[in-house]
Amino acid sequence: GDSVTQMEGPVTLSEEAFLTINCTYTATGYPSLFWYVQYPGEGLQLLLKATKADDKGSNKGFEATYRKETTSFHLEKGSVQVSDSAVYFCALEDTGRRALTFGSGTRLQVQP
Amino acid sequence: DAGITQSPRHKVTETGTPVTLRCHQTENHRYMYWYRQDPGHGLRLIHYSYGVKDTDKGEVSDGYSVSRSKTEDFLLTLESATSSQTSVYFCAISESGTVRDSNQPQHFGDGTRLSIL
Repeated sequence: GDSVTQMEGPVTLSEEAFLTINCTYTATGYPSLFWYVQYPGEGLQLLLKATKADDKGSNKGFEATYRKETTSFHLEKGSVQVSDSAVYFCALEDTGRRALTFGSGTRLQVQP
Repeated sequence: DAGITQSPRHKVTETGTPVTLRCHQTENHRYMYWYRQDPGHGLRLIHYSYGVKDTDKGEVSDGYSVSRSKTEDFLLTLESATSSQTSVYFCAISESGTVRDSNQPQHFGDGTRLSIL
């Protein structure tokens, strides 16, 4: 079945550092890929998405490119802020069920 | 924010008791989902609904049942709770059922923290 693998956390960075969170997937066909963010005590919010190979999703300074050849969708941000501290989930869409398969999540802690 | 209300927000109960969690939406979206969130596993799909009285199983459906008698409510029931069902439960809704083709992403509620002793 479909699966998503994310790098283990927590990731601890200083403010203005460069962020990369790795995500790889296994799926049949051509899934759509997503990054969700979860702030403490809240539900998940869609951060960005990409629906086909070589698409780049971007939002709030975050970017991720759909790489079919490496089955990856790594999340990047050039300069993180304390307010970016959260848990980030990579996910793919199972079009058969129209539901999401999530990675295990990566906690990001940004220090002032 | 999307109009999704989960109740209760917190619950502590004992092994063997029945538990029902409620998800209520005011968006009139067709698709509704129940996920559980556990450390090291991310979110995993329990059940989902694609219309009134239309439901299907997800990857971790054992020990859970659902019902949807009207568009706005999706109930998750643990018939006889076990300690392995201690988790945070999230409801989600979607207008079209596919995030790819819709400008409306899958919206999540704030979760229910369930502890089974």
